[in-house]
Amino acid sequence: AQTVTQSQPEMSVQEAETVTLSCTYDTSESDYYLFWYKQPPSRQMILVIRQEAYKQQNATENRFSVNFQKAAKSFSLKISDSQLGDAAMYFCAYRLNFGNEKLTFGTGTRLTIIP
Amino acid sequence: EAGVTQFPSHSVIEKGQTVTLRCDPISGHDNLYWYRRVMGKEIKFLLHFVKESKQDESGMPNNRFLAERTGGTYSTLKVQPAELEDSGVYFCASSQDRWETQYFGPGTRLLVL
Repeated sequence: AQTVTQSQPEMSVQEAETVTLSCTYDTSESDYYLFWYKQPPSRQMILVIRQEAYKQQNATENRFSVNFQKAAKSFSLKISDSQLGDAAMYFCAYRLNFGNEKLTFGTGTRLTIIP
Repeated sequence: EAGVTQFPSHSVIEKGQTVTLRCDPISGHDNLYWYRRVMGKEIKFLLHFVKESKQDESGMPNNRFLAERTGGTYSTLKVQPAELEDSGVYFCASSQDRWETQYFGPGTRLLVL
């Protein structure tokens, strides 16, 4: 069974600085997707970024980028120039690219932005 | 375009009572998913509808949970009778095609006392 581990329950960063959230996963499959979702307080969860396992190039979306290490089964999220609106719960998730399309999530990391 | 909506946002009930959660997916999305997050733990898959059919219900914890999606539009998740361990946040998500991004609703926070 696939598992996703987020070892940092809470993180904090000074506004305008850079922070990296960690995520590791375990799978025996080779064709899958990885995601970072963000849930701000009392608001709905939104997709931040996604990575296809067969693509070696790391995905980026504006200030958000990932460091995807397939052999190490690591998928960290880097947030550059942190802003107050980045404060949220961040969930790492995994999904196969065939068969069952359910998402498997980690336990989440609560990110606090310090003004 | 409206996103995924869920009702109610919060529900507090006593053990043994019944609660029904509702999810309205994004219009035109055939795929609808239910997930649950118990306090401090990971978000776990409950089940998946394709239109009105249950594609995968492997995550449903027991037969106290009943999900329906009549007409292939909105879905309801009924818990009867509710137990203390059912407390958590219930998320709904939808996608147009099976392999497309899943868009989440804000969740329903359920507290069973």
